[in-house]
Amino acid sequence: AQTVTQSQPEMSVQEAETVTLSCTYDTSESDYYLFWYKQPPSRQMILVIRQEAYKQQNATENRFSVNFQKAAKSFSLKISDSQLGDAAMYFCAYRSNHNYGQNFVFGPGTRLSVLP
Amino acid sequence: GAGVSQSPRYKVAKRGQDVALRCDPISGHVSLFWYQQALGQGPEFLTYFQNEAQLDKSGLPSDRFFAERPEGSVSTLKIQRTQQEDSAVYLCASSLGEGRPQHFGDGTRLSIL
Repeated sequence: AQTVTQSQPEMSVQEAETVTLSCTYDTSESDYYLFWYKQPPSRQMILVIRQEAYKQQNATENRFSVNFQKAAKSFSLKISDSQLGDAAMYFCAYRSNHNYGQNFVFGPGTRLSVLP
Repeated sequence: GAGVSQSPRYKVAKRGQDVALRCDPISGHVSLFWYQQALGQGPEFLTYFQNEAQLDKSGLPSDRFFAERPEGSVSTLKIQRTQQEDSAVYLCASSLGEGRPQHFGDGTRLSIL
């Protein structure tokens, strides 16, 4: 079974600075997707960024980028120019690309605080 | 509606009561997922539907948990004889199909007294 680990329960960053959230995962599959989701106190999970495992190029979405190291099974999220609205729980998630395994496997989350 | 809608948003029940949680997916979304999120933890998979077919229910913690999606649209998660450990946020997500992004609802916070 796949597992996702986030070793940082809490992180903080100064407004306008850069922060990196760590994620590692374990799988025997070669074809899968990785995601970062943001969950504010309102509870709705919001997709931040996603990465297909077969793509070597790291995904980027505006101020959000990932460092995907497939061999090391590492998938970190970098947030540049942090804003107060970035404060939330961040979950790393894995999803198989096989029909049977369409559900997400989530990590335990990292709570990010942004300091003004 | 524009997004996944879940109701009720909050539910309080006494231990031993049965509860039913509803999920209205985005119109046209074939796939529907239920997750359970305990306080301070990441969501954990419960079950997955493709249209009306329940393709995976490996995450349901016990036979007290039952989910259905009879017409391939609205889904109901039912918990019988609730226990305190069932207290959690129950999240529903839907997607257009295999490999497509999942869209999450706001969840139902269930508290068992």
